[in-house]
Amino acid sequence: GDSVTQMEGPVTLSEEAFLTINCTYTATGYPSLFWYVQYPGEGLQLLLKATKADDKGSNKGFEATYRKETTSFHLEKGSVQVSDSAVYFCALSFKGSARQLTFGSGTQLTVLP
Amino acid sequence: NAGVTQTPKFRVLKTGQSMTLLCAQDMNHEYMYWYRQDPGMGLRLIHYSVGEGTTAKGEVPDGYNVSRLKKQNFLLGLESAAPSQTSVYFCASSYSRQGDTGELFFGEGSRLTVL
Repeated sequence: GDSVTQMEGPVTLSEEAFLTINCTYTATGYPSLFWYVQYPGEGLQLLLKATKADDKGSNKGFEATYRKETTSFHLEKGSVQVSDSAVYFCALSFKGSARQLTFGSGTQLTVLP
Repeated sequence: NAGVTQTPKFRVLKTGQSMTLLCAQDMNHEYMYWYRQDPGMGLRLIHYSVGEGTTAKGEVPDGYNVSRLKKQNFLLGLESAAPSQTSVYFCASSYSRQGDTGELFFGEGSRLTVL
């Protein structure tokens, strides 16, 4: 079946550091890929997405590029802030699939001032 | 605009007790979902619904039942709670398949502890 593998956390960085959270997937076909973020005490919310190979999703300074050849969708940000502290989930889905998203296990990010 | 609202937000049960979690959405979404979130396991789909009066099993449906009697509401029931059902439960909704963007809208979660 489809699956998403994320780098294990937790990840702790100092403010203004560079962030990479790795995500790879296994799927039959070409899914759409997503990053969701969960701030403390809240539900998940969509951060960015890419629907086909070589697409780059971006939002709030975060970006990720859909790499078909390496089946990856790594999340990056050039300079993290304390307010970026959250849990980040990589996910995939197939358009038209009622079952929607398959999530990775999540990566806890803590940014220290 | 309330979005997706879950009640209750916290609940403690004893083994064998029953309870119902209520999810309500005001976005006129066709699709609704119940997930559970456990440490190190991400979110796992319990049941979902593609429209009023329909339900389907997800990845981990055992021990749960659901109902979608009204389009805006999706209920998750535990008939006989077990400690393994201690988790944080999230409801989500999304647009119909024709406008599928993959984006789900989540509630704030319901933390359930079964003793």
